[in-house]
Amino acid sequence: DAGVIQSPRHEVTEMGQEVTLRCKPISGHNSLFWYRQTMMRGLELLIYFNNNVPIDDSGMPEDRFSAKMPNASFSTLKIQPSEPRDSAVYFCASSLTVTVNSPLHFGNGTRLTVT
Amino acid sequence: AQSVTQPDIHITVSEGASLELRCNYSYGATPYLFWYVQSPGQGLQLLLKYFSGDTLVQGIKGFEAEFKRSQSSFNLRKPSVHWSDAAEYFCAVGARAGGTSYGKLTFGQGTILTVHP
Repeated sequence: DAGVIQSPRHEVTEMGQEVTLRCKPISGHNSLFWYRQTMMRGLELLIYFNNNVPIDDSGMPEDRFSAKMPNASFSTLKIQPSEPRDSAVYFCASSLTVTVNSPLHFGNGTRLTVT
Repeated sequence: AQSVTQPDIHITVSEGASLELRCNYSYGATPYLFWYVQSPGQGLQLLLKYFSGDTLVQGIKGFEAEFKRSQSSFNLRKPSVHWSDAAEYFCAVGARAGGTSYGKLTFGQGTILTVHP
């Protein structure tokens, strides 16, 4: 199993630019989660999907953030326009089901730097 | 809402020494509890989990954790630490409501473990 695949691993962009982060969950997993990790705030859940449908996006910080899951094998997290305070490591995770007893499998993250 | 506190930001131990990482949670019902480990540049990997039953749970890499309801704690332990255990460790609590709960975990701030040779 290839695990959760995220791309790119690193992204450096200028303030005001659009950023798109990509995630391929583990095949057969029905739930997908986007987390953000910063030194100040730790790991924060941004949004999660079940069967490609967004279930809870209450963690999305602002309207500049949007996430989609057009099919079971692909999800994107978009920031438009980006700001320096968006700099963080963004993790995608997937699990077999949406229930909390289904362990999360994390990707290696995308380190975003907005200058 | 649930919350997790990891009191120790950074712990240093010598290789071969025992280890205990502390975790305290706040949740109104019986919690789902997890420990994850993150190596530099990597995502988080599940070490072990507690849902119910035996309060002492075994995980991968020789780790174990004990759920103590009276102390609202779920401390992680290892009898003999190896240099490869150097990483950041996260405790997490999951919501539980009725028969099922969605996988919304609340993570602690993490404890960085340094291992001296």
